[in-house]
Formats: sequence, structure tokens, C-alpha cells
Amino acid sequence: EADIYQTPRYLVIGTGKKITLECSQTMGHDKMYWYQQDPGMELHLIHYSYGVNSTEKGDLSSESTVSRIRTEHFPLTLESARPSHTSQYLCASNQGMGTGELFFGEGSRLTVL
Amino acid sequence: KNQVEQSPQSLIILEGKNCTLQCNYTVSPFSNLRWYKQDTGRGPVSLTIMTFSENTKSNGRYTATLDADTKQSSLHITASQLSDSASYICVVSDRGSTLGRLYFGRGTQLTVWP
Repeated sequence: EADIYQTPRYLVIGTGKKITLECSQTMGHDKMYWYQQDPGMELHLIHYSYGVNSTEKGDLSSESTVSRIRTEHFPLTLESARPSHTSQYLCASNQGMGTGELFFGEGSRLTVL
Repeated sequence: KNQVEQSPQSLIILEGKNCTLQCNYTVSPFSNLRWYKQDTGRGPVSLTIMTFSENTKSNGRYTATLDADTKQSSLHITASQLSDSASYICVVSDRGSTLGRLYFGRGTQLTVWP
């Protein structure tokens, strides 16, 4: 079982609230990723990091931001949540090549009312 | 355009039966192809990886095949169990490097009934 953890697992909040989704891994992986997943759709990469102080935007435009101050920690923040942000957010990590096996967290399901 | 198409979109089978899931891709250049299993409410977990030179690979009751010429892969599940109920996602990499990208299919939702 992968040692990558996401909190909260479920979050229901009102429009305009600021939220942070936490992701931590204990495998020492240098590469970390955030994916967005909607029912019946493919995973979309929204942010990635290849190491400390390195963050890049992914293929899918997102109003969220990320930070990578420590190797093991890769939080995602939404300054002002909207109903369009309702989705499942999956954090993942891997080592070596970016196309190597991804280890996923359990996901954070966000619902914005 | 690099794409990954999976079929069927959903599948219902009876416990103990076999099934085959399909993945067609147009990704080029090709590095590898992985099948992931995603249980409801959980993150995906890798089942197998197929590289260009591999035709068949097994992981317990799961057998993956790859035809790099036709750009097709299949995942065969033998003697299905209730715990096989999940979404199966095909992921193709376009090169084995830091610059490589991953292309995800939409998954096949498999339901195994008792």
C-alpha cells in the first residue's frame, strides 16, 4: 500500500471560502502531482512539482495554487471556492522518470455549495 | 492528437466469469502502457506495465496484452471476484524521460455481481 495521504477525504463548503487540500508522502519521492477527476472522465493534471521550490501548472487550467516547501508535502489551495470547483482531487507521487508508476492518495472529494 | 480510448465504458459480469477490457491509443512516441485499478472512493493502483517489446504480462488473475503495431492493449480478468468491481484505467506514456507525458483513458467501470 502506498504511503501517500490526503486530507480531508470529504469536504463540503460554501461559495467564497478558502480551502486547502493536504497531501503528504513518506516515500521520499521527488515528483508530486495533483489530478482532478470527474465521474466518467479521465484524470486531468492540474499541478506538478519535480522537487522543493519547484511547481508547474498542468494541462488543465485551474484557479488553485500549490506549494512545495518540503519534499514530503504538496498542499493545494483554493482562495475562493466556487461550485465549478466541485470535483475529486487526487494527489500522486513517483520517483525517477516522470512517466514511472504513480502512487496515488485516496483522494479528496470537494463539494462547493 | 495523442489519445487513449477505452471500451467498453461499463461492463457487468457474474462472479466467476472472465472478461476483457480494451485500450486503443494514438500516443507517439510510445514508452509504456500501464493498467490501473481504481476502487470506488480510492486512488488508482498500478496493476501492470507493458513496454514496447512485451506482448503479454500476468499479475495473478489479471493478464495484459500489448500489440504495439496496432496500438492496442487488453486487460483480461479470469474467474472474476466481487472485489474486481472497480474502474480500470489505461495510461500511456509517450517517452521514458523527465519530459515524458502521461495520457489517461476514461476507464472501464466493471461491476461483478454475485
